[in-house]
Amino acid sequence: GDSVTQMEGPVTLSEEAFLTINCTYTATGYPSLFWYVQYPGEGLQLLLKATKADDKGSNKGFEATYRKETTSFHLEKGSVQVSDSAVYFCALLNGDSNYQLIWGAGTKLIIKP
Amino acid sequence: DTAVSQTPKYLVTQMGNDKSIKCEQNLGHDTMYWYKQDSKKFLKIMFSYNNKELIINETVPNRFSPKSPDKAHLNLHINSLELGDSAVYFCASSNRGGLGEQYFGPGTRLTVT
Repeated sequence: GDSVTQMEGPVTLSEEAFLTINCTYTATGYPSLFWYVQYPGEGLQLLLKATKADDKGSNKGFEATYRKETTSFHLEKGSVQVSDSAVYFCALLNGDSNYQLIWGAGTKLIIKP
Repeated sequence: DTAVSQTPKYLVTQMGNDKSIKCEQNLGHDTMYWYKQDSKKFLKIMFSYNNKELIINETVPNRFSPKSPDKAHLNLHINSLELGDSAVYFCASSNRGGLGEQYFGPGTRLTVT
């Protein structure tokens, strides 16, 4: 079945560092890909998405490019802030799966001032 | 103005008790979900309803019973609570086929002692 694999956390960086959180997927067909973010004590919220190969999703300085050849959707940000500390979830949606999101395990990001 | 609301936010109870969590969304969505998030932040889908019809029913103990009185509400009743039920429970909503954007409630932290 479909699956999503994320790099294990926690990822600890200093403020203004470059961020990459790796995400790879296994899916039949042409899934849509997502990054959700969960700030401490809150529910998840959509950060960005891409619906087809080579699409780039971006929001709040974060970017991710849908790479079909490497089945990846890595999350990047050029300069992180303390306020980016959160748990980041990669997910995919395959229309064949009853529109159920398939979730990665989440990656906790800690940014130190 | 809250899009997806859950009550209560915190629930502390003893083993063997029965409890309910309520969820309401005012986004006009046709699909609602219950997720369980464990202490390692792993997110597991439990149930999904589309227009009051159960469409996803993952492997969950039958002590858990969802009820959707209308498409804006989805409640979760748990019988005979066990220690392992301690977790954060999230309600979410979306439009089915709405390209994967789910809106999450703030979560209910259930602690079973």
